[in-house]
Amino acid sequence: GENVEQHPSTLSVQEGDSAVIKCTYSDSASNYFPWYKQELGKRPQLIIDIRSNVGEKKDQRIAVTLNKTAKHFSLHITETQPEDSAVYFCAASLGTDGLTFGKGTHLIIQP
Amino acid sequence: SAVISQKPSRDICQRGTSLTIQCQVDSQVTMMFWYRQQPGQSLTLIATANQGSEATYESGFVIDKFPISRPNLTFSTLTVSNMSPEDSSIYLCSTRLAGTDTQYFGPGTRLTVL
Repeated sequence: GENVEQHPSTLSVQEGDSAVIKCTYSDSASNYFPWYKQELGKRPQLIIDIRSNVGEKKDQRIAVTLNKTAKHFSLHITETQPEDSAVYFCAASLGTDGLTFGKGTHLIIQP
Repeated sequence: SAVISQKPSRDICQRGTSLTIQCQVDSQVTMMFWYRQQPGQSLTLIATANQGSEATYESGFVIDKFPISRPNLTFSTLTVSNMSPEDSSIYLCSTRLAGTDTQYFGPGTRLTVL
């Protein structure tokens, strides 16, 4: 089955700087790659996603890039703000299957 | 987006007992998913529940331990059977709206087994 690796496990950045979280997946057939943000005690919330026929997608301060050849995708957050502090999960799936998640990255925004 | 509710929101149970978690969606959906999130960890898919067919379980999860019902297109239940402290987790249901890839999550059920 699919395996998703996520790095780093913890990321601390100064407010206003950029943050990058990286994931790799094992199943070349996977075609959907979402990113979720989970605040303490709350449900995961989708922040951005990308399909395998697209190399990059951007939504305001958040962007995701996908390299299908390398089976690698990344989340980029620019101009970080205190409210960006949370745990971020990448995931991968094939078609309408359930999601396989990475282990998560605890993002800390230092004031 | 989909509005998903779960009951109960939390429970404390004794080992050896069973708990049934309910998941309600505000629209008809084909597929519903159940995930487990152990304390401080990521989400793991337990099973996929389609209306009118048996649930499909992921490796490491079995029907006897986690029986699932899917009586209609807006509702599903997950039972955690013969519980042990290792079953203490947050259980989340999820669904995907027709024609989209996006999975929406319910608020979760926080289960503590003593």
